[in-house]
Order: sequence, then structure tokens, then C-alpha cells
Amino acid sequence: NAGVMQNPRHLVRRRGQEARLRCSPMKGHSHVYWYRQLPEEGLKFMVYLQKENIIDESGMPKERFSAEFPKEGPSILRIQQVVRGDSAAYFCASSHEGALNGYTFGSGTRLTVV
Amino acid sequence: QKEVEQNSGPLSVPEGAIASLNCTYSDRGSQSFFWYRQYSGKSPELIMSIYSNGDKEDGRFTAQLNKASQYVSLLIRDSQPSDSATYLCAVNMGYGGATNKLIFGTGTLLAVQP
Repeated sequence: NAGVMQNPRHLVRRRGQEARLRCSPMKGHSHVYWYRQLPEEGLKFMVYLQKENIIDESGMPKERFSAEFPKEGPSILRIQQVVRGDSAAYFCASSHEGALNGYTFGSGTRLTVV
Repeated sequence: QKEVEQNSGPLSVPEGAIASLNCTYSDRGSQSFFWYRQYSGKSPELIMSIYSNGDKEDGRFTAQLNKASQYVSLLIRDSQPSDSATYLCAVNMGYGGATNKLIFGTGTLLAVQP
């Protein structure tokens, strides 16, 4: 079991391009969470998904950001028309049964917008 | 009022001393509480969880919870330079239902001086 797998580890995009971040949860985990961490700041909740369903997207910006967790394949966080302010570390976490017992984080994707 | 508050530090302690990290939270309905350690440039790692009032010990770490005061703390005994990291307090905001998620404080930077 390789844990929560995120790719790519580093992603550089020019302003206006699209960024796609991938997350494969731990084996047996069906709950996926995405967080964003800006330099010198804490982890900010973005979205919580289960297979084929968005459960809570209260932390997602209203525009340009979307997330999915299809029946087959990894969860995808998609950022359209990136701007410099999107530069951050994006962490995915997974759990077996919600957040009651905590969750395990992947190694993150560090997005740099130039 | 922030949902989860921590002193950002840095907290500087000499090697071998006890480091005391504190956290307060706003939601009285919170059920589970966690401490994560994050080294610079790395992902958060779960080190302690606590669910009921009192103390919970694991090796050199002791978590303390006081739900009446909405207060969580982490004690690190015999601090080592390798403990130098940012410690994130996380609280399960929700009632065990579908929308539960972890809300993080901004973290306390701990520096253990050799």
C-alpha cells in the first residue's frame, strides 16, 4: 500500500493555462479531501468527495475551480485560467470513514504560476 | 472568531525540555481532535488523536483535551532537535455526518535548540 498518491509533485503553469492535480486515495479509502496551503499559512479546506459525489465544496472558490472523484480513477482538482494567486501547495487526504478518525495526507502538489 | 486558533510562534525550547503547544476551537459539537506535524516542504503527518476529556499519552507525546474550555494541547517531553517542525491542531467540525471534515489551525512553529 503506497499511501495517498498525488501527482505531479511540482507543476508550473503560465497565467491563463489549466492545472490538473491528481490524487489516488489509500487502498480501501473512499473519502477524499482537498486542501490548499499558501506560504506561511495553515491548511484551508477546499472540497470533500466520495466516489462520484461532491459532499462538501464550501471551501472551493466559486469560479475556475472544480473537483471530481469518478467511479474509476483518481480524484482530480482542476483549476482553469490560473493566476499567480493560485500558486500554493495542494494536499489531498483520504480516509475510510469521514473525518472522525482523522485522515492521511499525500505528499502534495506544489503549483507555481508564472 | 477563527474556528481553530493556535499561537503561530515560534516557540523555542532547549533540547531535553518540555514543549507545550496549545489550541482552542469554537464549535462545541466537535467530536475528535488531532495533532499533525509538518516539516518544512513536507506534508502533514498525524501524530496524535484524542476524543474524550483528559490526557492521552503516546511515547514522548501527551495530548490533553478539555471540552468545557474548548481547549486542546500537546506536550512533547524530552524535546529533540528533530522535533523542530510546525504543529497543526485539527478539529473535526461536524457531527459524524456526511459533511464532517477537519478544520486546521495555522500551526505553531516549534524550534528545539541543541
